[in-house]
Amino acid sequence: EAQVTQNPRYLITVTGKKLTVTCSQNMNHEYMSWYRQDPGLGLRQIYYSMNVEVTDKGDVPEGYKVSRKEKRNFPLILESPSPNQTSLYFCASSLRRSDEQFFGPGTRLTVL
Amino acid sequence: AQSVTQLGSHVSVSEGALVLLRCNYSSSVPPYLFWYVQYPNQGLQLLLKYTSAATLVKGINGFEAEFKKSETSFHLTKPSAHMSDAAEYFCAVTPGNSGNTPLVFGKGTRLSVIA
Repeated sequence: EAQVTQNPRYLITVTGKKLTVTCSQNMNHEYMSWYRQDPGLGLRQIYYSMNVEVTDKGDVPEGYKVSRKEKRNFPLILESPSPNQTSLYFCASSLRRSDEQFFGPGTRLTVL
Repeated sequence: AQSVTQLGSHVSVSEGALVLLRCNYSSSVPPYLFWYVQYPNQGLQLLLKYTSAATLVKGINGFEAEFKKSETSFHLTKPSAHMSDAAEYFCAVTPGNSGNTPLVFGKGTRLSVIA
């Protein structure tokens, strides 16, 4: 089944404790991205990747890191999480930037 | 730069009534436009997309949208609402075939359907 998977689905952590949210797609897509969703603000892009080893900042990259060492994986790293990073995070992928994006099920992160 | 405005953060309709969710965009080049739906506790899934072909686009679950360049609009409609349509809907824009500009989403419209 074609899909985007994210892990974990739910995470509660404390300020400053490094964490990684994994994202994997099995559709051989070149384009992958991370979004955060907050009430009243909609979806905002954090980082995106046009291909392996090619990443770029989106609208709200501060406090986040990404890597794209393999085509299928695009982990999101929070080196030192803060409470304002409490949010619902989505990973998405598409064949090309302008194509339909396939979304993962989301990761709900709470930073205390 | 591209932008999207969704008028109305919350729309409520009766079951069987017309659904109209509004989306206006701003783009300096011919755009690609999308509507996505998010059901509770799920990710987003594509309803329909416009990529410079026919201006009236039909999507899943009976939804359709019409691209109107003169009005810079891409409103989503469905003739008769069903309870299962209750969800959050997002409009998105990207410049067609142009560089690395990411998809820009609107803030979303929550649709409630009243029995």
